[in-house]
Amino acid sequence: EPEVTQTPSHQVTQMGQEVILRCVPISNHLYFYWYRQILGQKVEFLVSFYNNEISEKSEIFDDQFSVERPDGSNFTLKIRSTKLEDSAMYFCASRPPRTGGFYGYTFGSGTRLTVV
Amino acid sequence: QKEVEQDPGPLSVPEGAIVSLNCTYSNSAFQYFMWYRQYSRKGPELLMYTYSSGNKEDGRFTAQVDKSSKYISLFIRDSQPSDSATYLCAMSVILTGGGNKLTFGTGTQLKVEL
Repeated sequence: EPEVTQTPSHQVTQMGQEVILRCVPISNHLYFYWYRQILGQKVEFLVSFYNNEISEKSEIFDDQFSVERPDGSNFTLKIRSTKLEDSAMYFCASRPPRTGGFYGYTFGSGTRLTVV
Repeated sequence: QKEVEQDPGPLSVPEGAIVSLNCTYSNSAFQYFMWYRQYSRKGPELLMYTYSSGNKEDGRFTAQVDKSSKYISLFIRDSQPSDSATYLCAMSVILTGGGNKLTFGTGTQLKVEL
């Protein structure tokens, strides 16, 4: 069964450093998302991406965050200057290219980001 | 009031029990209602989704939506130890362009004991 692949599975970084989280969505999917889950809290929407641009972003997704689909297969989340409160599990997800109705996401296994 | 509320548990039941998991919500714009299962250190996995009020059954799982009460439920019959996981309810409106942002509950941790 097709999978969303995320790397690395765990990343430790120092406060103030830039970090890039990588995702390979399912190949025929066209909608891409990042969510995060702080330990003990709910999964929260960060950003959605379609047709090479952001379609929606949450209040969490401020100027320190950016997303990119650099080569048609990878989908990345960059945090420019990490803060302690960015420590969380980050999930990438993708969805098939159909409009109307509901089509479920496929989530990756996540990247655990620890900022020290 | 939170958009989606879910009892975090933990909920512990004996094998074979019927499990009832519930969420309430406040945003009447939600159109789709989902249940995800999440094992430790894994991403959420879609179990079931429903659109509109009513019941939907899939094997041992039944999803129920009551839009008038803004209340959704997931029932698991004949629960198994392999059902032990965190169960997340999630809801969405339709974004422009066909996307759908998910709003999650906090998740209920379920343990099914032998």
